[in-house]
Amino acid sequence: DIVMTQSPDSLAVSLGERATINCKSSQSVSSSSDNKYSVAWYQQKPGQPPKLLIYRASTRESGVPDRFSGSGSGTDFTLTISSLQAEDVAVYYCQQYYTAPDTFGQGTKLEIK
Amino acid sequence: EVQLVESGGGLVQPGGSLRLSCAASGFSLSHSWMHWVRQAPGKGLVWVSHINSDRNIINYVDSVRGRFAISRDDAKNTLFLQMNSLTAEDTAVYYCARGGDSGLPYWGQGTLVTVSS
Repeated sequence: DIVMTQSPDSLAVSLGERATINCKSSQSVSSSSDNKYSVAWYQQKPGQPPKLLIYRASTRESGVPDRFSGSGSGTDFTLTISSLQAEDVAVYYCQQYYTAPDTFGQGTKLEIK
Repeated sequence: EVQLVESGGGLVQPGGSLRLSCAASGFSLSHSWMHWVRQAPGKGLVWVSHINSDRNIINYVDSVRGRFAISRDDAKNTLFLQMNSLTAEDTAVYYCARGGDSGLPYWGQGTLVTVSS
């Protein structure tokens, strides 16, 4: 199984500052045919289902604010929030859907400093 | 509008069974990959199972393989998860989600399964 390891486990950032969450896959999650990475990022707030933010490592889901961006290659991926807003307090998860079993990272709790 | 509504959760004794349902609207299950994801209280997300549009690709996480079965009723546009031989470790909120090559953009609100004597 592909293991997705996120860092850090928790993060406190000041309003308006940049937040960066990392995710490392234990093996490749890209197809050699199209070189696209099957990695997604989700935001989950208490009592709510997860919300898709980013797919294919860097494509922003429709309706997601442009302060959220995804990047990465190989086995290292990053979710960046360029200017933290109060409503961004949540737990963030990465996921690989390249091969079953699809796997999630352990989650990163983002708080306001 | 895409909607997913789970039902069937509840309290069950260890060793018991439950069948979860996920009623879909706004799209056809027969054209979609569908997934179950669970989340134990205070814990992270765990992918459980998926079924493809043709029903010829079904996968499970190791911890449920042989005990859980995913299925679909296209006429009712409903996804199911039959759960047998339940243990305390299966206690979680179970979400159904629609997915594809763009991750999981649509999720239900979840149904809570509690396994306890």
